[in-house]
Order: sequence, then structure tokens, then C-alpha cells
Amino acid sequence: QVHLAESGGGLVKPGGSLTLSCEVSGFNVRDYYMSWIRQAPGKGLQWVSYISITGLTMYYSDSVEGRFIISRDNAKNSLYLQVKNLRPEDSGVYYCARQFRLTTFDYWGHGTLVTVTS
Amino acid sequence: QSALTQPASVSGSPGQSITISCTGTSSDIGAYNFVSWYQQHPGKAPKLMISDVSYRHSGVSNRFSGSKSDNTASLTISGLQAEDEADYYCISYTSRNDVVFGGGTKVTVL
Repeated sequence: QVHLAESGGGLVKPGGSLTLSCEVSGFNVRDYYMSWIRQAPGKGLQWVSYISITGLTMYYSDSVEGRFIISRDNAKNSLYLQVKNLRPEDSGVYYCARQFRLTTFDYWGHGTLVTVTS
Repeated sequence: QSALTQPASVSGSPGQSITISCTGTSSDIGAYNFVSWYQQHPGKAPKLMISDVSYRHSGVSNRFSGSKSDNTASLTISGLQAEDEADYYCISYTSRNDVVFGGGTKVTVL
């Protein structure tokens, strides 16, 4: 059975950092593109980043480029998102998702909440 | 990246059909058949409904259908039911090798 479980969110001051984790069971992260998608409170979905099957190619949205780093650990079957220099507008629920095809996110986690406030 | 344009809200009575539009550009929706639709109920993770413009995901009711014309994709829900009340998001692949979501549409069943 496929299961994705995010963790690592929390309350952080502007300029702070966090590392979000996504533990996966039921498939191997190395066999799929994997993405992080976020949702600000009361707002819509925003794609944040994805990592390719090879793990060698990563893409980021313009709003997080240079501040966020996506990675994965095949041995731990987990996906990560290092978030740095956080801004209040980075607040929201961060979901990890299996990216079966380019726009096909077929499995999602429950999300982890990041709140950036002074 | 500019979000794809969706109407903020669409409503219909039970049994009716509604259509949600998703307008992009020649660099995203118009260029690729990689458009998907997601349903999200309050407090829940999004659920894949339609992929690659018109393919229903496993287990999704055949009341849901997708299509595309030029730079606009559409999701049609026929035989509207109370359980269809939710937020719906479109997403497209883009020429920048990334993906962009629409702003979301709240569907209300009257």
C-alpha cells in the first residue's frame, strides 16, 4: 500500500530554515519523479520543486529558486526539502507527491505546516 | 510563472452539468497535452481526477471528463452530486520544463 508521510514543519522566524521530510512506503522514490507542492492558508496550490528519476535534475519555481533544495535518499526511501531564508509568504502546508507523469501527481501525503512569522 | 486562469467559483443544481475552464498560453496548455485536474475537499490532500487532458484516473466517476481547445482546458462534471462540492485545480506542463497550477475553482452544489 502506498503511503507518503511528511514531517519537519513548524513555526519559524523570517530568515530561518527548516528541513522537510517525506517518508515513502509502497514504492521506491528512485523509480519516480517526486515533487513538493505547497498551499498557503486559504489559497490555491503552488508547485514548488521536483526531482527527476535519476536524481540529477531538479527544478524549482521562481519564488523559491536559490532558497530551497530538493533531495532524496534512496536507502531511506525518502524525499527532502531544505528551505532557507524563509519569508512569511512561504507559510502553508507543504505536500510531497509522486509525479507519475509530468502533471500527474497520483499519490500525496497529508502535508506538513510551515508558519513563518516574527 | 503566472498561474493558469480559472473562474473563482462555479455552481449548479444536483443533476446538472457544469464546466470549469482553465486558460493558459501557447507556452503551456497550448503547447502540450499534459494537463491534469485535481479535486480538493476542505482539510484534505488533493485528489487526481483527470490526467493528460482527458484520461480519468483509476476509480474516478465517469461523470468527470476533460478536454482541451487551443490554450484552454476544461473539466466537465455531469450529473452533479453533493459530494462533488469541492475546490478544483488544473495544472499544465510548461515550456520552462516546470508545471503551473490554476488558481482554483470552488464548485458549489445548490
